[in-house]
Amino acid sequence: KQEVTQIPAALSVPEGENLVLNCSFTDSAIYNLQWFRQDPGKGLTSLLLIQSSQREQTSGRLNASLDKSSGRSTLYIAASQPGDSATYLCAVLDNNDMRFGAGTRLTVKP
Amino acid sequence: NAGVTQTPKFQVLKTGQSMTLQCAQDMNHNSMYWYRQDPGMGLRLIYYSASEGTTDKGEVPNGYNVSRLNKREFSLRLESAAPSQTSVYFCASSDVPGTFNEKLFFGSGTQLSVL
Repeated sequence: KQEVTQIPAALSVPEGENLVLNCSFTDSAIYNLQWFRQDPGKGLTSLLLIQSSQREQTSGRLNASLDKSSGRSTLYIAASQPGDSATYLCAVLDNNDMRFGAGTRLTVKP
Repeated sequence: NAGVTQTPKFQVLKTGQSMTLQCAQDMNHNSMYWYRQDPGMGLRLIYYSASEGTTDKGEVPNGYNVSRLNKREFSLRLESAAPSQTSVYFCASSDVPGTFNEKLFFGSGTQLSVL
């Protein structure tokens, strides 16, 4: 059974700092990995999707990498802003279904 | 561009009461899903529907039933609510299920409390 872990559960950084969020998964036989953003009281918004054959995807200040062999993905946020404060979840799609991590709650302080 | 719409946004029930959570999507997606999100845990799949007229159990189906009314609508029913069903419920749909590009689109959620 696929298990997805995100560490740390919470992270607080000053504005302008570059940061990395981590995601690990136990079964490397995945179709893709997605990073989501969740604002309080809201649904999940897809940020980046990395197919299993890809190594990374970029969107603006966000860069997500995937290392299937080690079962790891990172989400890099450059020049963080207070508006980036949210919970970030990763999810892996395998042959059975999509499995989610519990998320990292990010706070960017002005 | 509504996307995935869920109603209600908030609901309080007493133990033993029943209710139906409604979900509709306007993206012409075949696949729809119901998840629950509990503190400190990732989203867990309750039921899904790969196409109109089909439904399948997910990881945590006990205590729930679903109906895929048509391609747009997928409802979740709690027949006899229990405190363990206190959670935030999300409906989602996907564009190209079973492919390497499958992406989920989520509704804004229903916060349910069972007293």
